Amino acid sequence: TQLLEQSPQFLSIQEGENLTVYCNSSSVFSSLQWYRQEPGEGPVLLVTVVTGGEVKKLKRLTFQFGDARKDSSLHITAAQTGDTGLYLCAVKAAGNKLTFGGGTRVLVKP
Amino acid sequence: DAGITQSPRHKVTETGTPVTLRCHQTENHRYMYWYRQDPGHGLRLIHYSYGVKDTDKGEVSDGYSVSRSKTEDFLLTLESATSSQTSVYFCAISAPRSDTQYFGPGTRLTVL
Repeated sequence: TQLLEQSPQFLSIQEGENLTVYCNSSSVFSSLQWYRQEPGEGPVLLVTVVTGGEVKKLKRLTFQFGDARKDSSLHITAAQTGDTGLYLCAVKAAGNKLTFGGGTRVLVKP
Repeated sequence: DAGITQSPRHKVTETGTPVTLRCHQTENHRYMYWYRQDPGHGLRLIHYSYGVKDTDKGEVSDGYSVSRSKTEDFLLTLESATSSQTSVYFCAISAPRSDTQYFGPGTRLTVL
């Protein structure tokens, strides 16, 4: 069982639609990160959430950290083809390490 | 973009042969990491380094070794490649007490 469970594993939508992806765990975390990975490239950090209930917005992306700091969601409003990619959540472990979830692959069709 | 390069970018090899992947950084960051990425598993840590000649194992270290003789270079070696090591390998760097890891472009390794 993975420490971080991401759902769904794959999501295909039309341009202009909204989508939400989830990152869940039974453990409590001091912070949680979201990365986006485009095809053929390495992951890039989008945001770090640190406070239970925190909501952060990055243009059309809205990130929420659960009140109990065990889960997080990423909502994309009016998705564009440029949002296509693999979305990964990650939490910090001892020794400056990160543990990643399995990822949600998002495909936005024109 | 963080100055991280990986070489080679693509490699096809045969079972039983040794393989070395190189990660080079120009950021002078202390921490360096090797991950492998497989469908459905996200990124899994193989080995990491917290300084020159200071390395430690990650969650999937069996069959891999690493070396770091200079701050800028972190080498990942498969002593005898197996088909289960077919994967995409990513190097990452971070500064001490920083939450952010910066990733290289990846190396796609195929073991036949």
